[in-house]
Amino acid sequence: KQEVTQIPAALSVPEGENLVLNCSFTDSAIYNLQWFRQDPGKGLTSLLLIQSSQREQTSGRLNASLDKSSGRSTLYIAASQPGDSATYLCAVTVDGQNFVFGPGTRLSVLP
Amino acid sequence: SQTIHQWPATLVQPVGSPLSLECTVEGTSNPNLYWYRQAAGRGLQLLFYSVGIGQISSEVPQNLSASRPQDRQFILSSKKLLLSDSGFYLCAWSRVSVEKLFFGSGTQLSVL
Repeated sequence: KQEVTQIPAALSVPEGENLVLNCSFTDSAIYNLQWFRQDPGKGLTSLLLIQSSQREQTSGRLNASLDKSSGRSTLYIAASQPGDSATYLCAVTVDGQNFVFGPGTRLSVLP
Repeated sequence: SQTIHQWPATLVQPVGSPLSLECTVEGTSNPNLYWYRQAAGRGLQLLFYSVGIGQISSEVPQNLSASRPQDRQFILSSKKLLLSDSGFYLCAWSRVSVEKLFFGSGTQLSVL
Protein backbone atom coordinates (compact mmCIF):
# COMPACT_ATOMS: atom_id res chain seq x y z
CA LYS A 1 0.00 0.00 0.00
CA GLN A 2 1.38 3.39 -1.01
CA GLU A 3 2.19 5.71 1.87
CA VAL A 4 3.27 9.33 1.58
CA THR A 5 5.05 11.31 4.28
CA GLN A 6 6.14 14.92 4.42
CA ILE A 7 8.76 16.60 6.55
CA PRO A 8 8.85 18.93 8.28
CA ALA A 9 5.26 19.06 9.53
CA ALA A 10 5.64 22.80 10.07
CA LEU A 11 8.21 25.39 9.11
CA SER A 12 8.64 29.05 9.99
CA VAL A 13 11.14 31.20 8.08
CA PRO A 14 11.88 34.91 7.68
CA GLU A 15 10.92 36.58 4.44
CA GLY A 16 13.47 36.23 1.66
CA GLU A 17 14.80 32.84 2.65
CA ASN A 18 15.05 29.94 0.24
CA LEU A 19 13.45 26.77 1.60
CA VAL A 20 12.92 23.10 0.80
CA LEU A 21 9.91 20.93 1.56
CA ASN A 22 10.26 17.16 1.42
CA CYS A 23 7.91 14.41 0.28
CA SER A 24 8.59 10.67 0.47
CA PHE A 25 6.60 7.76 -0.91
CA THR A 26 7.00 4.04 -0.30
CA ASP A 27 6.16 2.58 -3.73
CA SER A 28 8.36 3.96 -6.50
CA ALA A 29 6.04 2.71 -9.28
CA ILE A 30 4.24 6.02 -9.60
CA TYR A 31 2.59 7.58 -12.65
CA ASN A 32 3.13 11.15 -11.51
CA LEU A 33 3.57 13.36 -8.45
CA GLN A 34 1.75 16.59 -7.79
CA TRP A 35 2.40 19.44 -5.36
CA PHE A 36 -0.53 21.43 -3.99
CA ARG A 37 -1.01 24.53 -1.92
CA GLN A 38 -3.89 24.90 0.56
CA ASP A 39 -4.82 28.16 2.26
CA PRO A 40 -6.78 27.92 5.53
CA GLY A 41 -10.39 26.92 4.94
CA LYS A 42 -9.88 26.64 1.19
CA GLY A 43 -9.54 23.93 -1.41
CA LEU A 44 -6.25 22.70 -2.82
CA THR A 45 -4.56 24.45 -5.73
CA SER A 46 -2.25 22.51 -7.98
CA LEU A 47 1.24 24.01 -8.17
CA LEU A 48 3.38 21.57 -10.11
CA LEU A 49 3.00 18.13 -11.66
CA ILE A 50 6.00 15.90 -12.38
CA GLN A 51 5.64 12.91 -14.64
CA SER A 52 7.40 9.72 -13.59
CA SER A 53 9.86 10.15 -16.47
CA GLN A 54 10.78 13.71 -15.47
CA ARG A 55 13.36 14.90 -12.98
CA GLU A 56 12.01 18.37 -12.24
CA GLN A 57 9.45 21.04 -13.03
CA THR A 58 9.65 24.78 -12.53
CA SER A 59 7.04 27.49 -12.18
CA GLY A 60 8.22 30.96 -11.21
CA ARG A 61 9.93 30.76 -7.82
CA LEU A 62 8.93 27.12 -7.38
CA ASN A 63 10.98 24.14 -8.43
CA ALA A 64 9.97 20.55 -7.79
CA SER A 65 12.31 17.61 -8.24
CA LEU A 66 11.62 13.91 -8.37
CA ASP A 67 13.88 10.97 -7.58
CA LYS A 68 11.58 8.06 -8.25
CA SER A 69 14.10 5.34 -7.42
CA SER A 70 14.58 6.67 -3.90
CA GLY A 71 10.92 7.59 -3.46
CA ARG A 72 11.54 11.29 -2.86
CA SER A 73 10.44 14.67 -4.13
CA THR A 74 11.39 18.14 -3.00
CA LEU A 75 9.67 21.47 -3.47
CA TYR A 76 12.10 24.37 -3.52
CA ILE A 77 10.73 27.86 -2.90
CA ALA A 78 13.08 30.70 -3.72
CA ALA A 79 13.02 34.11 -2.05
CA SER A 80 10.02 33.28 0.14
CA GLN A 81 7.31 35.90 0.71
CA PRO A 82 4.59 36.22 3.36
CA GLY A 83 2.06 35.34 0.65
CA ASP A 84 3.67 31.90 0.41
CA SER A 85 2.33 31.07 3.87
CA ALA A 86 0.05 28.05 3.44
CA THR A 87 0.03 24.27 3.79
CA TYR A 88 1.82 22.40 1.02
CA LEU A 89 0.78 18.85 0.17
CA CYS A 90 2.21 16.31 -2.22
CA ALA A 91 0.27 13.49 -3.83
CA VAL A 92 1.25 10.50 -5.96
CA THR A 93 -0.75 8.34 -8.31
CA VAL A 94 0.11 5.04 -9.91
CA ASP A 95 -2.64 5.13 -12.55
CA GLY A 96 -3.84 8.71 -12.92
CA GLN A 97 -7.07 7.85 -11.12
CA ASN A 98 -6.20 7.08 -7.52
CA PHE A 99 -4.24 9.70 -5.58
CA VAL A 100 -2.46 9.24 -2.25
CA PHE A 101 -1.74 12.40 -0.27
CA GLY A 102 0.85 13.29 2.30
CA PRO A 103 -0.20 15.05 5.53
CA GLY A 104 1.26 18.38 4.41
CA THR A 105 3.82 20.92 5.61
CA ARG A 106 2.48 24.09 7.20
CA LEU A 107 4.67 27.01 6.10
CA SER A 108 4.77 30.41 7.76
CA VAL A 109 6.86 33.16 6.16
CA LEU A 110 7.40 36.00 8.58
CA PRO A 111 7.68 39.60 7.29
CA SER B 1 -11.75 26.38 -19.21
CA GLN B 2 -12.84 23.90 -16.59
CA THR B 3 -14.38 24.92 -13.28
CA ILE B 4 -15.66 23.02 -10.30
CA HIS B 5 -18.43 24.24 -8.03
CA GLN B 6 -19.08 22.94 -4.56
CA TRP B 7 -21.74 24.06 -2.10
CA PRO B 8 -22.55 25.00 0.54
CA ALA B 9 -19.33 26.51 1.88
CA THR B 10 -20.35 26.08 5.51
CA LEU B 11 -22.91 23.83 7.13
CA VAL B 12 -23.93 23.27 10.75
CA GLN B 13 -26.15 20.26 11.31
CA PRO B 14 -27.49 18.45 14.40
CA VAL B 15 -26.63 14.83 15.06
CA GLY B 16 -29.05 12.51 13.32
CA SER B 17 -30.01 14.95 10.57
CA PRO B 18 -29.57 14.17 6.84
CA LEU B 19 -26.83 15.57 4.63
CA SER B 20 -26.54 16.46 0.98
CA LEU B 21 -23.46 18.11 -0.50
CA GLU B 22 -23.33 18.81 -4.21
CA CYS B 23 -20.47 19.23 -6.64
CA THR B 24 -20.61 20.07 -10.34
CA VAL B 25 -17.90 20.36 -12.95
CA GLU B 26 -18.06 22.54 -16.05
CA GLY B 27 -16.00 22.58 -19.21
CA THR B 28 -15.10 18.91 -19.45
CA SER B 29 -16.85 15.64 -20.09
CA ASN B 30 -16.59 12.23 -18.44
CA PRO B 31 -14.39 13.39 -15.56
CA ASN B 32 -13.29 11.19 -12.69
CA LEU B 33 -14.94 12.63 -9.58
CA TYR B 34 -13.82 12.37 -5.98
CA TRP B 35 -15.02 13.16 -2.46
CA TYR B 36 -12.33 13.68 0.17
CA ARG B 37 -12.58 14.52 3.87
CA GLN B 38 -9.97 16.47 5.77
CA ALA B 39 -10.19 16.29 9.54
CA ALA B 40 -8.57 19.08 11.54
CA GLY B 41 -4.80 18.71 11.47
CA ARG B 42 -4.91 15.56 9.37
CA GLY B 43 -4.40 14.60 5.75
CA LEU B 44 -6.94 13.99 3.05
CA GLN B 45 -9.00 10.83 3.28
CA LEU B 46 -10.56 9.54 0.07
CA LEU B 47 -14.23 8.72 0.66
CA PHE B 48 -15.62 7.97 -2.81
CA TYR B 49 -14.59 8.17 -6.41
CA SER B 50 -16.48 7.72 -9.64
CA VAL B 51 -15.31 7.04 -13.19
CA GLY B 52 -18.76 7.37 -14.76
CA ILE B 53 -22.49 7.85 -14.22
CA GLY B 54 -23.76 5.43 -11.60
CA GLN B 55 -20.26 4.02 -10.96
CA ILE B 56 -19.22 4.68 -7.37
CA SER B 57 -16.29 3.19 -5.48
CA SER B 58 -16.22 3.49 -1.71
CA GLU B 59 -12.91 3.63 0.09
CA VAL B 60 -14.09 3.86 3.68
CA PRO B 61 -17.14 2.05 5.11
CA GLN B 62 -19.28 4.56 7.00
CA ASN B 63 -22.71 6.11 7.09
CA LEU B 64 -21.99 8.28 4.06
CA SER B 65 -22.96 7.51 0.47
CA ALA B 66 -22.32 9.09 -2.90
CA SER B 67 -24.24 9.27 -6.14
CA ARG B 68 -23.51 10.48 -9.65
CA PRO B 69 -26.84 11.14 -11.34
CA GLN B 70 -25.29 13.08 -14.23
CA ASP B 71 -21.90 13.05 -15.94
CA ARG B 72 -20.62 16.16 -14.16
CA GLN B 73 -22.56 16.02 -10.90
CA PHE B 74 -21.42 14.27 -7.75
CA ILE B 75 -23.46 14.20 -4.53
CA LEU B 76 -22.41 13.19 -1.03
CA SER B 77 -25.22 12.14 1.30
CA SER B 78 -26.03 10.79 4.71
CA LYS B 79 -29.32 9.71 6.21
CA LYS B 80 -28.21 10.37 9.79
CA LEU B 81 -25.13 12.40 10.65
CA LEU B 82 -22.75 11.44 13.44
CA LEU B 83 -20.48 13.73 15.45
CA SER B 84 -17.52 12.04 13.78
CA ASP B 85 -18.75 13.23 10.38
CA SER B 86 -17.56 16.74 11.17
CA GLY B 87 -14.77 17.90 8.91
CA PHE B 88 -13.81 19.68 5.73
CA TYR B 89 -15.24 17.99 2.64
CA LEU B 90 -13.60 18.48 -0.72
CA CYS B 91 -14.80 17.53 -4.16
CA ALA B 92 -12.26 17.05 -6.94
CA TRP B 93 -12.06 16.02 -10.57
CA SER B 94 -9.45 14.66 -12.92
CA ARG B 95 -9.07 12.99 -16.28
CA VAL B 96 -6.35 10.57 -17.20
CA SER B 97 -5.63 12.73 -20.27
CA VAL B 98 -5.32 15.81 -18.07
CA GLU B 99 -3.50 14.03 -15.23
CA LYS B 100 -3.86 16.82 -12.69
CA LEU B 101 -6.34 16.78 -9.83
CA PHE B 102 -8.52 19.88 -9.42
CA PHE B 103 -10.37 20.74 -6.23
CA GLY B 104 -13.49 22.64 -5.30
CA SER B 105 -13.48 25.25 -2.56
CA GLY B 106 -14.67 22.82 0.12
CA THR B 107 -17.51 22.54 2.63
CA GLN B 108 -16.86 22.93 6.35
CA LEU B 109 -19.34 20.63 8.08
CA SER B 110 -19.93 20.87 11.81
CA VAL B 111 -22.16 18.25 13.40
CA LEU B 112 -23.38 19.31 16.83
